[in-house]
Amino acid sequence: DVKVTQSSRYLVKRTGEKVFLECVQDMDHENMFWYRQDPGLGLRLIYFSYDVKMKEKGDIPEGYSVSREKKERFSLILESASTNQTSMYLCASSLNWVAGLAKNIQYFGAGTRLSVL
Amino acid sequence: KQEVTQIPAALSVPEGENLVLNCSFTDSAIYNLQWFRQDPGKGLTSLLLIQSSQREQTSGRLNASLDKSSGRSTLYIAASQPGDSATYLCAVLGGSNYQLIWGAGTKLIIKP
Repeated sequence: DVKVTQSSRYLVKRTGEKVFLECVQDMDHENMFWYRQDPGLGLRLIYFSYDVKMKEKGDIPEGYSVSREKKERFSLILESASTNQTSMYLCASSLNWVAGLAKNIQYFGAGTRLSVL
Repeated sequence: KQEVTQIPAALSVPEGENLVLNCSFTDSAIYNLQWFRQDPGKGLTSLLLIQSSQREQTSGRLNASLDKSSGRSTLYIAASQPGDSATYLCAVLGGSNYQLIWGAGTKLIIKP
C-alpha cells in the first residue's frame, strides 16, 4: 500500500515564525502535491512537483514556498506565518502523468492542522 | 475554467437507507473523475475512479456513475451504515496542467 506520511498532525505557531511542513512517500512517485483545505472551499492546490528540484505554482502559492531535494520528500515552507494561513494542510503523491492520466490516482497523507496565533 | 459542485453540502439519513450523492462539473474534457472519503480531521481516501471512457465503477456497496455529456456524476451508497458517516469529495482530472479540480464535499451523517 502507498504510504504518505506528514510529520505532524497538529502544529501551533506564532505570527511571523518560519514553519516547515514535511511530507514523505514510500512508493517512488514522481508527483507530489501540497493542498490546503478550508471549510466550504474544498481543496486548493498550493504547489506541486513532478520531479526532484522541480516545482510548479498551484492556485494559491502566495506566502508559501516548497523544496524537493529528494524524490520521496516534499516540504512546504511558510516563510513568515500569518493568521490567515491557519488551515488543514494535505500532502499527496501520484505516479507521473506519462504512466496514464485516466488511471492517475492521488494518495493522501493524514493532514497537518496548523494554527497560527 | 472547470468548476465542480457538490449538492447537498450536508445530508443526514437513517441507517439502512440507500442514498445518492451528486457531483457536477462544467467542462466535459476530463481524464477521470474520482470520489474520495474524508473522516473528521483526517486525510483523504480514494474510493472510486471512473476513467473518462467509462460510465460507472463499483466497489462493494458503492457505485459511481459518470455522464460526461451532462457534466454529472453520482455516488450511490447502498444499505447505509453509521460507519459511512464522513465527508465525500469528488474531483475531476483535466485541463492543460493535469490537475485535480475539487468539489467542496458533502458531509454525510448516518443515524443509527
